[in-house]
Amino acid sequence: EAGVAQSPRYKIIEKRQSVAFWCNPISGHATLYWYQQILGQGPKLLIQFQNNGVVDDSQLPKDRFSAERLKGVDSTLKIQPAKLEDSAVYLCASSLKPGQGGNSPLHFGNGTRLTVT
Amino acid sequence: AQSVTQPDIHITVSEGASLELRCNYSYGATPYLFWYVQSPGQGLQLLLKYFSGDTLVQGIKGFEAEFKRSQSSFNLRKPSVHWSDAAEYFCAVGDSGYSTLTFGKGTMLLVSP
Repeated sequence: EAGVAQSPRYKIIEKRQSVAFWCNPISGHATLYWYQQILGQGPKLLIQFQNNGVVDDSQLPKDRFSAERLKGVDSTLKIQPAKLEDSAVYLCASSLKPGQGGNSPLHFGNGTRLTVT
Repeated sequence: AQSVTQPDIHITVSEGASLELRCNYSYGATPYLFWYVQSPGQGLQLLLKYFSGDTLVQGIKGFEAEFKRSQSSFNLRKPSVHWSDAAEYFCAVGDSGYSTLTFGKGTMLLVSP
């Protein structure tokens, strides 16, 4: 079974520039999550999709962050304009169905490391 | 609001020695509890989870964890650590349904020869 694919692995941009990350979940996984992991912190949920609908985006800074999952499969997370404090690893995860039921754990990709200078 | 505390930022253990990583949670109802491991440059891998039933749960790679409701704890243990266990370990809490996971800040495990 192929895992969660993310690209790029690394990205360096200057503040005020824009950047986009891509995620392709495990085939058949209806739920997709984007997490932000700042150095020294645990991952923090930014947005959760169920198919192509948003379930939870309460912690997404909507003035600069946006995400979409138009066809209910792969997803893109965008930051525009970037700030220094956005430097972090952006992790994508997917699960077969929402929630944390015994048969629906989260599977994480390897993440995209963003550095904003 | 739910929260997770991992009191130890770093722990160093000799190879072959036993390991215990601490996790305390705050949650109003019966929690779903998880331990994840993250190697450098990698995503998080699920080690084990607790939903209900037996409070001692077994996971992959020889890890186990014990849920203690009275202490609001879910400590991770391994009887004999291998050098390949060096990584960062995250405890997380959530509930069923459309919940999100709340992660602790992680504990970095260093294994000395």
